[in-house]
Amino acid sequence: EDQVTQSPEALRLQEGESSSLNCSYTVSGLRGLFWYRQDPGKGPEFLFTLYSAGEEKEKERLKATLTKKESFLHITAPKPEDSATYLCAVQYSGTYKYIFGTGTRLKVLA
Amino acid sequence: DGGITQSPKYLFRKEGQNVTLSCEQNLNHDAMYWYRQDPGQGLRLIYYSQIVNDFQKGDIAEGYSVSREKKESFPLTVTSAQKNPTAFYLCATGTSYSGNTIYFGEGSWLTVV
Repeated sequence: EDQVTQSPEALRLQEGESSSLNCSYTVSGLRGLFWYRQDPGKGPEFLFTLYSAGEEKEKERLKATLTKKESFLHITAPKPEDSATYLCAVQYSGTYKYIFGTGTRLKVLA
Repeated sequence: DGGITQSPKYLFRKEGQNVTLSCEQNLNHDAMYWYRQDPGQGLRLIYYSQIVNDFQKGDIAEGYSVSREKKESFPLTVTSAQKNPTAFYLCATGTSYSGNTIYFGEGSWLTVV
C-alpha cells in the first residue's frame, strides 16, 4: 500500500536553531512530491514541488530535498513566524490522487 | 482577485440535514478536489474531478455527493447519511500546467449540532 510518513510528529525549536523535517514514502513511480505549510484554521499554503531524486528547492529559510525514498525540509535559523504544521504529499504515476502525510507541528520559541 | 473561494467558512448542521459547501475558482484549473481533515489524521480525499461533468470517488466518498457542471465550480453536499460529518473541509484545484501542484482554498468548518 502506498504510504507517506512524516516525522517527527511535533518539533519545538529555539529561534535560530536549525533542524530538518522528514517525509518518507513507498516507491511506486513518483510523479511529484509536494510540501505545504498550514496555519491553524487555514488551508495549506503551497511551498515546493520536487520531481526527481537529487532535486533541491529553496525559499527564504526553507530548503527541500528529495531522494529515492524520502524528502527533507530543512529550516535554517527559524523564526517564531515559521511556527506551523508542515504537510508532505505525494502523487504517483498513473493517478490523479495525492496521498498526504499527517504533518509535523513546528513550534519556534523566541 | 484570483484564487479559490470556499464558503461558508463556518457551518452548523442539525442531525438529518443535508448541507452544501461551495468551492469556486478563477484559476482556469481543470482538476478540482475535496478533502476532509480531522485532528491527527492526514487529508483524506472525498471526491475529485478532472473535467466538467465527470468526477470520481475518493477514499471516503460515502455520505457525500458532488457535481461539476461548470469548470469554475465543484460543490460538495454532506448528506444525512454521513455519520460523523464534523470536520474541516478543504477544496483544492490543479492542472498539469501547474506541474501537477494542487492549491487549496481557506477551508470550511462543519459542525453538527
